[in-house]
Amino acid sequence: KAGVTQTPRYLIKTRGQQVTLSCSPISGHRSVSWYQQTPGQGLQFLFEYFSETQRNKGNFPGRFSGRQFSNSRSEMNVSTLELGDSALYLCASRRQGSANTEAFFGQGTRLTVV
Amino acid sequence: GQQVMQIPQYQHVQEGEDFTTYCNSSTTLSNIQWYKQRPGGHPVFLIQLVKSGEVKKQKRLTFQFGEAKKNSSLHITATQTTDVGTYFCAAPPNTGNQFYFGTGTSLTVIP
Repeated sequence: KAGVTQTPRYLIKTRGQQVTLSCSPISGHRSVSWYQQTPGQGLQFLFEYFSETQRNKGNFPGRFSGRQFSNSRSEMNVSTLELGDSALYLCASRRQGSANTEAFFGQGTRLTVV
Repeated sequence: GQQVMQIPQYQHVQEGEDFTTYCNSSTTLSNIQWYKQRPGGHPVFLIQLVKSGEVKKQKRLTFQFGEAKKNSSLHITATQTTDVGTYFCAAPPNTGNQFYFGTGTSLTVIP
């Protein structure tokens, strides 16, 4: 079956712009989580959605937001981009929303802010 | 948020040598997962440990969960160049269902 699909794979934006990233989870998976990965900070948790509801949120400013649709696809939005937002954004899907199921990651979206 | 400390941050080994990475938490964990991320790739699930003192093996990889469920380790015997990558542990917070990742250990294997 198809894996987790993230689009686009690469993105270059300028400071002050906004960006929307998309994640399609594995069919049947209802939980989608987003992570920001940078060389110095590792994998930082952004938020998690389950059945269209945000269940958990990491310690990121309000410029970072997300949503999940009825088909479990998820989008995350970053407004007023800053240079420090340059990172690899990964989404992960899980079949269930419990904390004892493995996460399947997409290839990520590499965002560069110039 | 959840604090899961992972050491070392970097490790260079000669091919054939052993490698170990450690994860430590100040609180008791319900379970812990391990992931591997190859250079340029995305994290891939390796294993989950749930029981106190649990030990699981996958070929040359041995995973352990501490008796107090506050620490875990991944040991690779006789490393190969295919083991190159960053190894992450991940654990859920005391409440909630989300996993928080450790800082990762980047393994370089020198042929």
